[in-house]
Amino acid sequence: QKEVEQDPGPLSVPEGAIVSLNCTYSNSAFQYFMWYRQYSRKGPELLMYTYSSGNKEDGRFTAQVDKSSKYISLFIRDSQPSDSATYLCAMSTNNYGQNFVFGPGTRLSVLP
Amino acid sequence: GAGVSQSPRYKVAKRGQDVALRCDPISGHVSLFWYQQALGQGPEFLTYFQNEAQLDKSGLPSDRFFAERPEGSVSTLKIQRTQQEDSAVYLCASSPGDTQYFGPGTRLTVL
Repeated sequence: QKEVEQDPGPLSVPEGAIVSLNCTYSNSAFQYFMWYRQYSRKGPELLMYTYSSGNKEDGRFTAQVDKSSKYISLFIRDSQPSDSATYLCAMSTNNYGQNFVFGPGTRLSVLP
Repeated sequence: GAGVSQSPRYKVAKRGQDVALRCDPISGHVSLFWYQQALGQGPEFLTYFQNEAQLDKSGLPSDRFFAERPEGSVSTLKIQRTQQEDSAVYLCASSPGDTQYFGPGTRLTVL
């Protein structure tokens, strides 16, 4: 079993839909949680950075962490075709920018 | 530019050739990371530098892989005697201390 699991998709939704992307993990020492967006043939781009349990909102994006269930989510409201990309979750036991463990990514397509 | 840059963006090598991949981190970022990303997978950690010191190389898959950052800025990942299984995207990331910012990657294809 991998340390971080993520449904690879592909996930196809119509424009304007609410998208829910999820990761589960096994290491209870993870404290810091990130979501990256990766367009085809580009490097990952940081979207959200959260610490411990709770919600964090940034524009159309909301990150949710449930440490008791070892489950994190990224919600995208009013999805746009430009949101079509692979979404990677990453997590770490420290806030020094080290020891990131990534999920395999979920490929999202938002259809116009 | 203000971001992490990598060169070349694409590299085709014949099996057995040596390759060198370059990373220019964001100016002032102390930490630098190399990752390998296979198709359809997330990035897998290779090695980590803090300034010029290589503090963790536990992810390097074999002794054919070597990384350096001699002056604490630009880094080079070298792969000797490339094999087909080395075909992947090699990502570099730099960090100011909390999270990581990635370059566009170098896509290596070994024929």
